[in-house]
Amino acid sequence: NAGVTQTPKFQVLKTGQSMTLQCAQDMNHNSMYWYRQDPGMGLRLIYYSASEGTTDKGEVPNGYNVSRLNKREFSLRLESAAPSQTSVYFCASSADPGTTEAFFGQGTRLTVV
Amino acid sequence: AQSVTQLGSHVSVSEGALVLLRCNYSSSVPPYLFWYVQYPNQGLQLLLKYTTGATLVKGINGFEAEFKKSETSFHLTKPSAHMSDAAEYFCAVSPSGGGSEKLVFGKGTKLTVNP
Repeated sequence: NAGVTQTPKFQVLKTGQSMTLQCAQDMNHNSMYWYRQDPGMGLRLIYYSASEGTTDKGEVPNGYNVSRLNKREFSLRLESAAPSQTSVYFCASSADPGTTEAFFGQGTRLTVV
Repeated sequence: AQSVTQLGSHVSVSEGALVLLRCNYSSSVPPYLFWYVQYPNQGLQLLLKYTTGATLVKGINGFEAEFKKSETSFHLTKPSAHMSDAAEYFCAVSPSGGGSEKLVFGKGTKLTVNP
C-alpha cells in the first residue's frame, strides 16, 4: 500500500522552464492538496481539489496550475519557473473535504536556477 | 481566521529528558488542533489530533498533547526523549468541521536529541 506517491523526488530547472509535478494516491481519497514548504515558513497551501472535477486556490497559487486528472491523480504545473519557486513541494490527500487527517507524500525538492 | 505560533524554532534535549514543544493558536471558532512530525527527507505524518472530547490527547510514539482553551495552547510532550524522536514538528489548526484545505501550519520546531 503506497499511500501518496510523488514524482520526481528531485528536480533542477532553469528560470523560464516548465515542468509538471505528479501525485497519485491509492487510498480512494476524494480530496487532494499541494503544499510548498520553505525554511522557517511552515507549509503553505498552493491549490486543492475537494473532489474529482473541482480545484480551488489556496494561500499561494500564483505561478502554478493544477489538474485533477481523475480520483487518484493531482498534478501541479509550473509554466515558467522562477527562483522564488525553489522549495519542497508536498502532495497530500484526505478522505473527504470535511475530514481533517491528511496523508502526505515524501515531497519533491525543486531548485530553480 | 486561524493562526499558530510555535515557540522556539530549535529545541535540544538529552536522551531520556522531557520533551516539551510549545504551540499557541488563535481561532475565531472552536478549533481542531494537530501535531505532525517530519523526519529528515520525509513527508509529514500525523502524531495526534484534538477535535472534540477529552482534552488530553495521546498520539503515536509516546507523545501526548493537552488542549487548554483558557491558555489557547496545545503543547506537545513526551516524558523521555529517544534518539529516534529527532525530527521537525509542526502544530496546525483548522476550524472545527473544516477540511484539510483549512489547515494552518506553524513554522515548525526542529527537535535535536543529544546522547
